[in-house]
Amino acid sequence: DTAVSQTPKYLVTQMGNDKSIKCEQNLGHDTMYWYKQDSKKFLKIMFSYNNKELIINETVPNRFSPKSPDKAHLNLHINSLELGDSAVYFCASSQGPRDTGFVGSRRGNTEAFFGQGTRLTVV
Amino acid sequence: GQNIDQPTEMTATEGAIVQINCTYQTSGFNGLFWYQQHAGEAPTFLSYNVLDGLEEKGRFSSFLSRSKGYSYLLLKELQMKDSASYLCAVENYGQNFVFGPGTRLSVLP
Repeated sequence: DTAVSQTPKYLVTQMGNDKSIKCEQNLGHDTMYWYKQDSKKFLKIMFSYNNKELIINETVPNRFSPKSPDKAHLNLHINSLELGDSAVYFCASSQGPRDTGFVGSRRGNTEAFFGQGTRLTVV
Repeated sequence: GQNIDQPTEMTATEGAIVQINCTYQTSGFNGLFWYQQHAGEAPTFLSYNVLDGLEEKGRFSSFLSRSKGYSYLLLKELQMKDSASYLCAVENYGQNFVFGPGTRLSVLP
């Protein structure tokens, strides 16, 4: 039973098209994320949602719009695709808050569980 | 600002021990995570440190020094299947995981 599943696994599309990637987690986690991993394998946060509310929105073009219909789902819609959008997109989830165990810290999340990734190729 | 550094590549021999270092500067600190990522696959969680010291989990151990902004992942009795990228990630006060560039480890027979 897959914990974090995202579809499709592969997506090849032409420049200018609009596409969506879906993500679902069955772990009961409160927080979900979208990460982009480029050709140099650098994993960079794009968005983070906690209980359906956006808490992190990094410097991402507004052609990218996340949507969280409920806390188990976080979909990513991309408008007017460009060549530079080609990358692997990972969805992830984690549970929070938790006690980090030392005085003065803020309550953080548990480890993130990742989906299998969606390899997007824009031609 | 936020910055996480790791060596880009490392090579080691089957059966040996390898140490992968990570240095970080982030806005707040809620813990440091190590992930393993095989080519074409998703990252998977290996270890977590929030207090200074060593955490051991079988063949893998991870060390943290918060005052130095430094961590390492130690892999013992290397196996061919340990060839992968190893990602260091810090959780900051924004409850965001910031990942380092990853270290690609090649294990040779």
